[in-house]
Amino acid sequence: GQNIDQPTEMTATEGAIVQINCTYQTSGFNGLFWYQQHAGEAPTFLSYNVLDGLEEKGRFSSFLSRSKGYSYLLLKELQMKDSASYLCAVVTSGTYKYIFGTGTRLKVLA
Amino acid sequence: DGGITQSPKYLFRKEGQNVTLSCEQNLNHDAMYWYRQDPGQGLRLIYYSQIVNDFQKGDIAEGYSVSREKKESFPLTVTSAQKNPTAFYLCASRTGGMETQYFGPGTRLLVL
Repeated sequence: GQNIDQPTEMTATEGAIVQINCTYQTSGFNGLFWYQQHAGEAPTFLSYNVLDGLEEKGRFSSFLSRSKGYSYLLLKELQMKDSASYLCAVVTSGTYKYIFGTGTRLKVLA
Repeated sequence: DGGITQSPKYLFRKEGQNVTLSCEQNLNHDAMYWYRQDPGQGLRLIYYSQIVNDFQKGDIAEGYSVSREKKESFPLTVTSAQKNPTAFYLCASRTGGMETQYFGPGTRLLVL
């Protein structure tokens, strides 16, 4: 079956660093996406990994290990506006279907 | 401006009624998707279409129907067979290859 696991909720302090983990078991793998979703709004694209390693984009970085079925999203210098849900999504082979995790709700405290 | 539009933003459905949610994109994207999101949950795939006049069922297609007569448009009908339709519905589109999906602003459907 297809399964993507993320922690339900995390809390961190403004200015700190937080790591949001995502583990997956899917039938085939064509890439992993991270999205940010503020309450009541649509998800917006943050990052994409298809090869093992770290992708850095400003305050956001994402890491992938295909052999371990594992990814994380690293947010540095947290700001209050980073309070949102973070969704991990895996694209399966051949079908271009995106399988989403349930999302991690991040609260940034002053 | 290029983008994806969904209408209406809020939609109310009476018991036994079919309703249609609109999704239009002017990004010239080939693939389009419909997702359902329940409170505190991730996105679940209802239907997707890779090209015009072709679409496939997702994981929760029962009680829903779609059409893809034009590249720009992918309307979703929530039929009376869908017994628990209250949710946030998101439409997305993607160009070919391994590009990200871009999402519309969503439609919140409520049952009266």
